[in-house]
Amino acid sequence: GAVVSQHPSWVICKSGTSVKIECRSLDFQATTMFWYRQFPKQSLMLMATSNEGSKATYEQGVEKDKFLINHASLTLSTLTVTSAHPEDSSFYICSASPLPGAAEQYFGPGTRLTVT
Amino acid sequence: SQQGEEDPQALSIQEGENATMNCSYKTSINNLQWYRQNSGRGLVHLILIRSNEREKHSGRLRVTLDTSKKSSSLLITASRAADTASYFCATEGGSYIPTFGRGTSLIVHP
Repeated sequence: GAVVSQHPSWVICKSGTSVKIECRSLDFQATTMFWYRQFPKQSLMLMATSNEGSKATYEQGVEKDKFLINHASLTLSTLTVTSAHPEDSSFYICSASPLPGAAEQYFGPGTRLTVT
Repeated sequence: SQQGEEDPQALSIQEGENATMNCSYKTSINNLQWYRQNSGRGLVHLILIRSNEREKHSGRLRVTLDTSKKSSSLLITASRAADTASYFCATEGGSYIPTFGRGTSLIVHP
């Protein structure tokens, strides 16, 4: 089946630094990639949708200058948390779809970010 | 918002028993999907049911959809300890962007 990887699996960083998370579709071309955030025992909240070669579409309330998303190729999207603060600590999950939209999407294993 | 809401929030059963989880939503949908998430891991897609379908099966999983009541159920039969996980429903409307509920945490005791 379709495989999506994320790197790193977990990261601990100091407040004020920036962290980049990669999401790769390993065996298919991802027309669309999605970035989610999940707090403990909570639902997944969609942060943004990105299509290869175009700017990401951010959900209401998500700061685009803080969460930079780059979908540079059909197999790679990156999420950069800039000037991270402890409240940004969370579980970040990406998903990728070979089709426009999310009728068929495959999830990465997630990245645990802890900001100290 | 057409966020799905699962109930119960948590469910604890013995191995071999059946587990039923419900999902309710607010507006019309194109399809509804159920996912499984092991602690601290990504999501695994279980079943997609379209708005014109009423029931789907996959192995020990059975999903029903009642669009008149805006609800869906996920039944896991003959549960196993390995079924311990959180289960989420995700609804999709015209934008095909899924909206997830808070999930049901299932614990199956061996």
